[in-house]
Amino acid sequence: GNSVTQMEGPVTLSEEAFLTINCTYTATGYPSLFWYVQYPGEGLQLLLKATKADDKGSNKGFEATYRKETTSFHLEKGSVQVSDSAVYFCALSLGGGGNKLTFGTGTQLKVEL
Amino acid sequence: DTAVSQTPKYLVTQMGNDKSIKCEQNLGHDTMYWYKQDSKKFLKIMFSYNNKELIINETVPNRFSPKSPDKAHLNLHINSLELGDSAVYFCASSQGQTNNSPLHFGNGTRLTVT
Repeated sequence: GNSVTQMEGPVTLSEEAFLTINCTYTATGYPSLFWYVQYPGEGLQLLLKATKADDKGSNKGFEATYRKETTSFHLEKGSVQVSDSAVYFCALSLGGGGNKLTFGTGTQLKVEL
Repeated sequence: DTAVSQTPKYLVTQMGNDKSIKCEQNLGHDTMYWYKQDSKKFLKIMFSYNNKELIINETVPNRFSPKSPDKAHLNLHINSLELGDSAVYFCASSQGQTNNSPLHFGNGTRLTVT
């Protein structure tokens, strides 16, 4: 079956630190990969996506590269801010039949001054 | 303007009751979803509708019945509520069903069953 594995949180960083949140996946086909972010009390928002191998998704200083050889889609940011504190979800979709997203368990990020 | 709106935001009820959660999207999308997020933040799809037709129906008790009167609305009715139904329920929408179609989520409905 399809699955997404994320590093467990919470991850606590100081402001301006470098962020990496690991994500690996298992899929029966060629999925699209996504990172969603959930701020406290809100729904999920799409952060970035990549649809094929070697694609790099980027948004708001965050980046992730679709690595087919390692089945990974790690999220990185060079300098985090307090406002980046949220829960980050890695997800995959194989499309068709309803575009079902399979999510990882989420990684909580806390950024402190 | 809110793109995907769900009501109510909070719902507290007793076991055995029947309740509904409403969802509306003004994005013009043709596909809508219900996801359940448990206390550990794990998200799992429950249902998906495309143009009012049921596309995905995961292993969900038949006490849960979605209804889509038009492609802009997808409501969730739950009969005979149980303690284990306590969770945050998210409505979402997308344009199309391809794996390039990102989902837009509502802010969730926190259901507490006592």
